[in-house]
Amino acid sequence: NAGVTQTPKFRVLKTGQSMTLLCAQDMNHEYMYWYRQDPGMGLRLIHYSVGEGTTAKGEVPDGYNVSRLKKQNFLLGLESAAPSQTSVYFCASSYPDSGSGNTIYFGEGSWLTVV
Amino acid sequence: RKEVEQDPGPFNVPEGATVAFNCTYSNSASQSFFWYRQDCRKEPKLLMSVYSSGNEDGRFTAQLNRASQYISLLIRDSKLSDSATYLCVVRSMNRDDKIIFGKGTRLHILP
Repeated sequence: NAGVTQTPKFRVLKTGQSMTLLCAQDMNHEYMYWYRQDPGMGLRLIHYSVGEGTTAKGEVPDGYNVSRLKKQNFLLGLESAAPSQTSVYFCASSYPDSGSGNTIYFGEGSWLTVV
Repeated sequence: RKEVEQDPGPFNVPEGATVAFNCTYSNSASQSFFWYRQDCRKEPKLLMSVYSSGNEDGRFTAQLNRASQYISLLIRDSKLSDSATYLCVVRSMNRDDKIIFGKGTRLHILP
């Protein structure tokens, strides 16, 4: 079971460069999320999607764009990378919450350094 | 009041001891509750869901108190391998299906 797969796992970017992080899930989940995690800050939601073709802003969306063209994929783009975007990025997916506690599954993370 | 609050710790506990974590949440409409475990430089992984009646999984017991809006996690007979950060997660069943993570409580089990 692949679950949630993120690529790449590690990347070093120069300030101003662009890149895309890919998240793929094979569990037929409707919902997908992109988080960033910084020391002492916990997980912060960047963008999320409740279905194919839909996206929405989370807590810290500035400097990022996303697309959900296919149900199984959720792409996170950095158009012009800044050192403040150095972080660990986690993708997650789940079914909609039915009140019975549907689990949120995470990818292994993508370590991004912007120099 | 923060949406989900946890004591950041660290909790330094001798092996074999019992340790308890609490987490408070502010949204009374929250429907689903979880404890996740995160090891250093790894992704968060589900430890257990928290049900209204409370639930147990081996050495781990989770409780929910809706009236006071807090959840708890009890770890009995702690092992060295329990050292990790424990994240409280609260999910609201509404149109946006908001998922809020606490910042986590760090636990160090001492030999």
